[in-house]
Amino acid sequence: QVQLQESGPGLVKPSQTLSLTCTVSGGSISSENYYWSWIRQPAGKGLEWIGRINRSGSTDYNPSHKSRVTMSVDTSKNQLSLKLSSVTAADTAVYFCARSLGMFDSWGQGTLVTVSS
Amino acid sequence: DIQMTQSPSSLSASVGDRVTITCQASQGISNFLNWYQQKPGKAPKLLIYDSSDLETGVPSRFSGSGSGTEFTFTISSLHPEDVATYYCQQYDNLPYTFGQGTKLEIK
Repeated sequence: QVQLQESGPGLVKPSQTLSLTCTVSGGSISSENYYWSWIRQPAGKGLEWIGRINRSGSTDYNPSHKSRVTMSVDTSKNQLSLKLSSVTAADTAVYFCARSLGMFDSWGQGTLVTVSS
Repeated sequence: DIQMTQSPSSLSASVGDRVTITCQASQGISNFLNWYQQKPGKAPKLLIYDSSDLETGVPSRFSGSGSGTEFTFTISSLHPEDVATYYCQQYDNLPYTFGQGTKLEIK
């Protein structure tokens, strides 16, 4: 049973870069032919897909954030990372990582990131 | 982007009731449609994938149907633990997009 766990700073200043890590356990990123996605959810609102990455580092980003998003994968640590630059208050949300093959069948618990000075 | 429109946005029903939620896609997405349940403070949980396939371990009172642009999610007999927000999600085209959610409450 694969498990995912997000981690990173809970508070980021405006204009800075949000950096999160997702650690995968119970399975190896490098041996599984999945995509790994980042999804966010502002408080009281719906879900927004940010982008995805596979074990080879191939990425697809949501065009609405493409200019600010960078995703990477470290197969040696079984981790994915998300960087979102030039953040504003609108980027305040719970950020989830999830395993995907079109459907998101395993999710991390989510981590709240607040953008505030 | 493909827009996903769910209705209703909120719903109140009694234990034992049959509950139906609809999801409409702005263009045809074949059967590339999934349904999730999200309880407060928790991550979404996959219930139905490919429009009508039940995820392993999900109770059989949950079901889905549809193809193209019109999809339906049904709970055949509402249980108290089904109180949650439900989301549809398409994966026919990138970017993946979700419906706005349907908040289900018990009367």
